[in-house]
Amino acid sequence: NAGVTQTPKFRILKIGQSMTLQCTQDMNHNYMYWYRQDPGMGLKLIYYSVGAGITDKGEVPNGYNVSRSTTEDFPLRLELAAPSQTSVYFCASSYQTGTSGSGNEQFFGPGTRLTVL
Amino acid sequence: GESVGLHLPTLSVQEGDNSIINCAYSNSASDYFIWYKQESGKGPQFIIDIRSNMDKRQGQRVTVLLNKTVKHLSLQIAATQPGDSAVYFCAEEANQAGTALIFGKGTTLSVSS
Repeated sequence: NAGVTQTPKFRILKIGQSMTLQCTQDMNHNYMYWYRQDPGMGLKLIYYSVGAGITDKGEVPNGYNVSRSTTEDFPLRLELAAPSQTSVYFCASSYQTGTSGSGNEQFFGPGTRLTVL
Repeated sequence: GESVGLHLPTLSVQEGDNSIINCAYSNSASDYFIWYKQESGKGPQFIIDIRSNMDKRQGQRVTVLLNKTVKHLSLQIAATQPGDSAVYFCAEEANQAGTALIFGKGTTLSVSS
């Protein structure tokens, strides 16, 4: 298994440009997540999905959109890039039964380093 | 504000020493906790997890202790090696539906030989 793969690895955007960060997992996990990590900080949840066709906001969703048309793919869309969105973006997936305390480890991709100038 | 935090941003140890990394959490309803290791330029990597019905769990060279009374979590690494140098994050299960995690800021462990 390749696990969680993300593309691109690096990207530089100009203010106002748009782009899609791609994420794919081949572990048949039902849950997928997008996090951002600012320098020296922990990860903050942007959006997550509990299954195909279902998405929900995390802690910092503003300026982003997601879709989950298949189990494998969970792309993150930036419509109008802003300097505040300069960060490293991590996609993750896990298998969850959905009940409290039943959490299982999340598997992370290698990240996409995004700079908005 | 953040639900999960770590006591020290950095920890420096000698090769062969035991390392203890601490984490305090504020949500007494959290019932699942994970420790992740993140090496430079990589995504977080699972180390060990623990559920709230346990107070200790051991893995290979690592032990996680959970003290629910004071809402404290610790990661112990035995015989620390240079390859253990990384940033360590604790995370807690954020809500009752068993979904997302809340991460602390991280502790940078530096191991010198």
